[in-house]
Amino acid sequence: DAGITQSPRHKVTETGTPVTLRCHQTENHRYMYWYRQDPGHGLRLIHYSYGVKDTDKGEVSDGYSVSRSKTEDFLLTLESATSSQTSVYFCAISEGKETQYFGPGTRLLVL
Amino acid sequence: QKEVEQNSGPLSVPEGAIASLNCTYSDRGSQSFFWYRQYSGKSPELIMSIYSNGDKEDGRFTAQLNKASQYVSLLIRDSQPSDSATYLCAVNWGYGQNFVFGPGTRLSVLP
Repeated sequence: DAGITQSPRHKVTETGTPVTLRCHQTENHRYMYWYRQDPGHGLRLIHYSYGVKDTDKGEVSDGYSVSRSKTEDFLLTLESATSSQTSVYFCAISEGKETQYFGPGTRLLVL
Repeated sequence: QKEVEQNSGPLSVPEGAIASLNCTYSDRGSQSFFWYRQYSGKSPELIMSIYSNGDKEDGRFTAQLNKASQYVSLLIRDSQPSDSATYLCAVNWGYGQNFVFGPGTRLSVLP
């Protein structure tokens, strides 16, 4: 987890409310990723970024948006949270095609 | 679509035995391969990476890669109860959506 923090670490929210998760890195890595992890599905890519203001969709991007205004920060927003978005969210970073390193995760419960 | 497959387990081995974890992938254009370990409630952490055919050893861990068979494995020698975790195989065909994780194999090392 060194060099990568996620906030908040735990969040409980209600259906229909907006939620923003933050990933912050101190490694100056170019690539940043948001995954969700659910039982039986493994890690699924939501969105990723390949530079400031450069982002693209992943496998499960519906209902999520992202922004990256600085190299060190990558924000994931659930515009209107649904119960199906209850999950554990991991941020990861990498330098090009090399290893991805993961943050500590955020547990989100949508009631 | 690029896919990475693993047996979900659980794989149970007695303490001191060799644990063998397997992973297959769908596309021959893959470039690098990774094994991550994930303890319950924690984030994935990198164990090993391997880039060329053959074996790579690091302490009690050996990764084996066979690109012709599209197969990568992880051997854990002298398994310890502390090795009990879920092991994720990841294959890198590039960045973003080309970095794909398998669903993971749960390993249980019995004292």
